[in-house]
Amino acid sequence: DGGITQSPKYLFRKEGQNVTLSCEQNLNHDAMYWYRQDPGQGLRLIYYSQIVNDFQKGDIAEGYSVSREKKESFPLTVTSAQKNPTAFYLCASSRGEAGVGYNEQFFGPGTRLTVL
Amino acid sequence: ILNVEQSPQSLHVQEGDSTNFTCSFPSSNFYALHWYRWETAKSPEALFVMTLNGDEKKKGRISATLNTKEGYSYLYIKGSQPEDSATYLCAFRNDYKLSFGAGTTVTVRA
Repeated sequence: DGGITQSPKYLFRKEGQNVTLSCEQNLNHDAMYWYRQDPGQGLRLIYYSQIVNDFQKGDIAEGYSVSREKKESFPLTVTSAQKNPTAFYLCASSRGEAGVGYNEQFFGPGTRLTVL
Repeated sequence: ILNVEQSPQSLHVQEGDSTNFTCSFPSSNFYALHWYRWETAKSPEALFVMTLNGDEKKKGRISATLNTKEGYSYLYIKGSQPEDSATYLCAFRNDYKLSFGAGTTVTVRA
């Protein structure tokens, strides 16, 4: 079955620690995205990547970092510089260039990060 | 960050009744409008991607209309069923990314 996997489902970290969230897709999609959801708010874009070895900041990139070394993988690191990291994180992918925007996005199941 | 508004924030509907709700977005520089359904404990799934003013799309009992000149889209659910209970998200394509609204949460009562 093709799809997007995120791991782990729940993650707990102490304040000040960096943590990396995994996102893998086997849909052969070029574009991948990371979103954050907070209560009462829409999904907010953290980073996106249109192609391997390239990525761009989204609307709330501060305190986060990403890499795109393989087409299938787009890990997100939440650094200690992120002031309020506790949130639900969703990864997504889509066909073609991210810039087209005409292609639907496929989402993973999400990771809930809690910083203690 | 573009302002994409969805209203109402939540609604309850009796099984068998029809309902609709709104997504408002900037009317300038329009490229595409997406609708997603997000059921509890599942991933968001795409319903529609709409690109043309006046476009109407339908999937089963769910349909959507688009007015790009005034910047709004309606989502309609005809004859609501319990399985329609979900949060419905709209997203406006801006430049190379999507800006999402906060969603409308629909609860269908049996």
